[in-house]
Amino acid sequence: GAGVSQTPSNKVTEKGKYVELRCDPISGHTALYWYRQSLGQGPEFLIYFQGTGAADDSGLPNDRFFAVRPEGSVSTLKIQRTERGDSAVYLCASSLGSSALGDTQYFGPGTRLTVL
Amino acid sequence: DAKTTQPNSMESNEEEPVHLPCNHSTISGTDYIHWYRQLPSQGPEYVIHGLTSNVNNRMASLAIAEDRKSSTLILHRATLRDAAVYYCILGNQAGTALIFGKGTTLSVSS
Repeated sequence: GAGVSQTPSNKVTEKGKYVELRCDPISGHTALYWYRQSLGQGPEFLIYFQGTGAADDSGLPNDRFFAVRPEGSVSTLKIQRTERGDSAVYLCASSLGSSALGDTQYFGPGTRLTVL
Repeated sequence: DAKTTQPNSMESNEEEPVHLPCNHSTISGTDYIHWYRQLPSQGPEYVIHGLTSNVNNRMASLAIAEDRKSSTLILHRATLRDAAVYYCILGNQAGTALIFGKGTTLSVSS
């Protein structure tokens, strides 16, 4: 079956530019997560959606980062005025979002963002 | 958030069992123990999770100490494809972000 997909797989941009990263979750998954992974580190949480709303955005590093999920399915992570320090792999995950404990997250392959 | 401690790296030979340890001495009563792994150039992949009892699935087994302060992920016969970074993570409800540490880098030799 179809897993989580992310586009583009690679994005190279210049410092100061605006970028959008897209995530298509598994069909029927109500929960969606964005993480960021720098080289040699584990993924770092950015934001979590339950349906259309951002339930937890405590991981967003600053106001240059914003994410939306207008119809409760596809999500877009938007980064304004990119900086070289934003270079990383951006991972998206989705889960059923049930209230049951131990809800499993399924990850996409990531988008590698390089800011020159 | 409760934290976990894992060795930085481990080595194994192909077709041998591998025991990956994880310490979580501050685990709470409702924390599940999750294991994910990340193969090179891929997103993390769910391996197994449990609460109190030992768990088995097609990928691995999870042995949980009686006091729940530690656990061990067991790969019964390592293959070259099992070379990855293995993360032990605690979580207690849906919608909780996974807090990744640096994990254990497993190398498998033929």
